[in-house]
Amino acid sequence: AQSVTQPDIHITVSEGASLELRCNYSYGATPYLFWYVQSPGQGLQLLLKYFSGDTLVQGIKGFEAEFKRSQSSFNLRKPSVHWSDAAEYFCAVGGGFGNEKLTFGTGTRLTIIP
Amino acid sequence: GAGVSQSPSNKVTEKGKDVELRCDPISGHTALYWYRQSLGQGLEFLIYFQGNSAPDKSGLPSDRFSAERTGGSVSTLTIQRTQQEDSAVYLCASSFGGLAKNIQYFGAGTRLSVL
Repeated sequence: AQSVTQPDIHITVSEGASLELRCNYSYGATPYLFWYVQSPGQGLQLLLKYFSGDTLVQGIKGFEAEFKRSQSSFNLRKPSVHWSDAAEYFCAVGGGFGNEKLTFGTGTRLTIIP
Repeated sequence: GAGVSQSPSNKVTEKGKDVELRCDPISGHTALYWYRQSLGQGLEFLIYFQGNSAPDKSGLPSDRFSAERTGGSVSTLTIQRTQQEDSAVYLCASSFGGLAKNIQYFGAGTRLSVL
């Protein structure tokens, strides 16, 4: 069965500092990987996705993530965070045709301090 | 519409009552998903509709939960005889088709509170 682990429940970062949110997955084949962001009272917005090809993917809002098959990881990074980045971040894995549902991690809540 | 629309945005009900949650997907999207987000939990898959195919109901937690999708568009999630543990945010998503190469677009959700 597929699963996603986000080991950090809550992270606090100073505005302007760099950010890395961890995500580890378990999946028996080549995974499709996603990062979503959820602001309070809002639905989920896709930040970026990995399907195949280049293991470093760029997303919206200056985010990027790197797929490392050997470590079963898909960590999200941003070189300099903004106060508006405060939100809940979810990593998800899916398997393509015949397995379209997404399996989400429990999320990491990001707090930005001045 | 421009995005996935869910109604109501909030629903308060008494234990034992039935509730219906509605999802209006993005026009042209053939796939529709329901997820549940409980406090402190990630999102839990409930059910998936793809075109005219039989839905994948593997995530429904009990037979009190059911969903239908009429005309390949609007979907209704029904919870019968609600229990307090059903309190959660119910999120709907839609996509052009299967997951491969496609992206799920989420609505803002319905927050269900069972008293």
